[in-house]
Amino acid sequence: SQKIEQNSEALNIQEGKTATLTCNYTNYSPAYLQWYRQDPGRGPVFLLLIRENEKEKRKERLKVTFDTTLKQSLFHITASQPADSATYLCALDTTGNTGKLIFGQGTTLQVKP
Amino acid sequence: NAGVTQTPKFQVLKTGQSMTLQCAQDMNHEYMSWYRQDPGMGLRLIHYSVGAGITDQGEVPNGYNVSRSTTEDFPLRLLSAAPSQTSVYFCASSYGQGYGGYTFGSGTRLTVV
Repeated sequence: SQKIEQNSEALNIQEGKTATLTCNYTNYSPAYLQWYRQDPGRGPVFLLLIRENEKEKRKERLKVTFDTTLKQSLFHITASQPADSATYLCALDTTGNTGKLIFGQGTTLQVKP
Repeated sequence: NAGVTQTPKFQVLKTGQSMTLQCAQDMNHEYMSWYRQDPGMGLRLIHYSVGAGITDQGEVPNGYNVSRSTTEDFPLRLLSAAPSQTSVYFCASSYGQGYGGYTFGSGTRLTVV
């Protein structure tokens, strides 16, 4: 079956450390993969998009990798801060650019001071 | 720039009633989507559209109708509300084709009693 998997367990880390979140997918051939942040009671906010021909993308303290052979994306937050505490969602267009964007269930990150 | 505007923010319906959730965007985005978010289920795609006059079904389309007569508007109609449709509904829009991510509205919290 087709699915997107993110670690359902919350990730707890100490301030200043690097947080690494995982997104695995099966039976999709996405042209790109996206990461979002969602705070309680709010809609998701777009963070980064990485295309299938890109290995890595960076934006300030954020880094995303995309391995289409492993069907996996890793999302890193370096020098994490308590303000980074939120749920992080990965999403992909199921095949190419159909407009059918499917989300994983998200991983909750808690950064402790 | 208003972004994506959803109305109403809250709604209580009785079983069997119908209603329309409104979604409008002012960014000239071609792609628009409706999601529902339930605890432990993540965001699930209901319907999506890649342009005016074009709509398609997502993962959970049953009980919902959409139309896209203009680029700006993408209303979601509940035909005969059921308690299982109690959820938070998000509308989102994007340029599509991998040019950036989706912008989400602030959501509609719907309760069906």
